[in-house]
Amino acid sequence: AQKITQTQPGMFVQEKEAVTLDCTYDTSDPSYGLFWYKQPSSGEMIFLIYQGSYDQQNATEGRYSLNFQKARKSANLVISASQLGDSAMYFCAMRAFSGGYNKLIFGAGTRLAVHP
Amino acid sequence: DGGITQSPKYLFRKEGQNVTLSCEQNLNHDAMYWYRQDPGQGLRLIYYSQIVNDFQKGDIAEGYSVSREKKESFPLTVTSAQKNPTAFYLCASSIRQEPVVEQFFGPGTRLTVL
Repeated sequence: AQKITQTQPGMFVQEKEAVTLDCTYDTSDPSYGLFWYKQPSSGEMIFLIYQGSYDQQNATEGRYSLNFQKARKSANLVISASQLGDSAMYFCAMRAFSGGYNKLIFGAGTRLAVHP
Repeated sequence: DGGITQSPKYLFRKEGQNVTLSCEQNLNHDAMYWYRQDPGQGLRLIYYSQIVNDFQKGDIAEGYSVSREKKESFPLTVTSAQKNPTAFYLCASSIRQEPVVEQFFGPGTRLTVL
């Protein structure tokens, strides 16, 4: 079964420190993609970063990087130099082909709180 | 500015009533999606549309209906057949219906059934 697991319901981090949000996935497809989205309290989903299963290097976007370990089926998000505005829900998602169409499968999310 | 708008932001409905949630995009995207989010959970796909006049059921389509008469618009109707409609509803769009392509999300509509 295709599935995304985020085992950390909540995380705390001190401002300016780095934090890692965990994500493991399960799929039998050789080709897949992994996404991270941020959801502030306003509710809108904001795309952060994408990693393709054939990408040789870990994706990076500014302060966000994706620690992609294919053998372990993990795609952890690393946020460097945390800021107060990083406080939000973070969702890991995977592209999957299921039921005859491509779709995104989301994890349950991790709530990140950045403390001053 | 290009983007996705959803209205209303908050919606209250009595049991037994149908309600329609609006989603409009000016990004010239072909594909549009509707997701449902329950507290403490991720998003689940209700319906998606790849092109005008075409749409497909997602994982939890029962009790919902959609239309795609214009490229810019993808309204979602929550019918009285939906047993537990109270949730946060998010509309999204992408250039085409390939999940490797980034999906852009609207601000969402929070529906509460009284």
